[in-house]
Formats: sequence, C-alpha cells, structure tokens
Amino acid sequence: QSALTQPASVSGSPGQSITISCTGTSYDVGNYNLVSWYQQHPGKAPKLIIYEVSKRPSGVSNRFSGSKSDNTASLTISGLQAEDEADYYCCSYAGSFTFVLFGGGTKLTVL
Amino acid sequence: EVQLAESGGGLVQPGGSLRLSCAASGFTLTDHYMDWVRQAPGKGLEWVGRTRNQANSYSTEYAASVKGRFSISRDDSQKSLYLQMNSLKPEDTAVYYCTVYSGSYPDAFDMWGQGTMVTVSS
Repeated sequence: QSALTQPASVSGSPGQSITISCTGTSYDVGNYNLVSWYQQHPGKAPKLIIYEVSKRPSGVSNRFSGSKSDNTASLTISGLQAEDEADYYCCSYAGSFTFVLFGGGTKLTVL
Repeated sequence: EVQLAESGGGLVQPGGSLRLSCAASGFTLTDHYMDWVRQAPGKGLEWVGRTRNQANSYSTEYAASVKGRFSISRDDSQKSLYLQMNSLKPEDTAVYYCTVYSGSYPDAFDMWGQGTMVTVSS
C-alpha cells in the first residue's frame, strides 16, 4: 500500500480557516476510524493533535478539528495563528499486514 | 516527567549494522506498545515497526521496507527499547524516532523522542 495523499502545501492568513485533506483507500482510511494527525515544527519531533479521526488530546487547542468522509480524512485549523505554521501529517491504521500508513505531509504557511 | 531519549545514531557504510537505543522515563514501559518511526531528510514520516506490550507477549511487526533486516527488542527492567539495523542501505538514512503507541490516547503515537540521525553512506 502507498502512503496516504496530502496536498504538499496550503496557506492562509491569520484568523482564517484552512483544511488539509488526507486521501487513502477502502483498506485504510475508509475502513477504520483510526486516523490521527501530527504537527511538526522545523527540527522538532511530531506532536499528536488529533486521534481517532476527531478527538483532541488534552492541551491541544479547540481550533484544531478532524473529520472523515469515505476514504478522505480532513484536518481543519480555524483562527489561524503564526504558531500554526508547521508541517502536518495524517496517519491511519491499514490492517494487519501493512499496519500503519502516514501521509506525505502538508506544509502550512501562515501569510 | 515522561520522556523518551534515543541514542546510537551515526554514520555507517552500506551493508553495515547499527543498534539504536531509546531510554524511557516517567512511565512503566511494560504496559505499552513501542514503535519506531523514521523521517528521511526533507521527507515525510515512515513507520518502521512495533513491539507490543507484555500482555501481548512482546510480539513484533515490521514495515515491508525493513522486514528481515531490522529487529526491535526491549528490556523493560532497563526501561529501554532497541532497534537493531542490519544490511543497511542508503535509503535507510533518516532521523529515527522512538514512540509510544496507544499510551494515553488510543491508536495514535502520543509520545515521541527527539530522534537520532542515521546516515548510510560510503
């Protein structure tokens, strides 16, 4: 199975909302509600921001939200802030052969 | 404080071997699934493999790209996780992260180390 498909880059102005898509197949994203999202700032380790499609870990801003429709998961960031500028990765369980797939990553630029 | 700290990275020639370590602190390693995730320079994240917890007999799983070459082990008494990498290839060059899978949050990598760089080059 191939990596999940994300747009290479998205951008938005402070205060705006953006959405990052993550497209898989019926063998991964479409078959399990086990999509997670990670934020990674340059030179830092990734940080979990969404798990099980739409749940937020303690301490993560409610400006981050997740959803899923068929084979595509989405991450929405509302009220964009400068600190949101980072790379974002989706991840899905992919069954008992492949186990885990990550997306290729999306670079968010806050204009 | 909960922490993961990787070590053991460095420069190795193609075909060589390297063993990475991950020291865990602030939590009981025995209870948790532990995974390795890597990131090639300027590239995205790639899952490497997993060792399940004691309750699941410490069973392991690997990505197809490393199966047969990499081996994950753990010593819960030493609070340590290991990644033995053999027959290394240039495409294994990456930062290797030690992670906790389904720790505080189910079905997600909710704790990450700072990573250790492995460079495979002649």
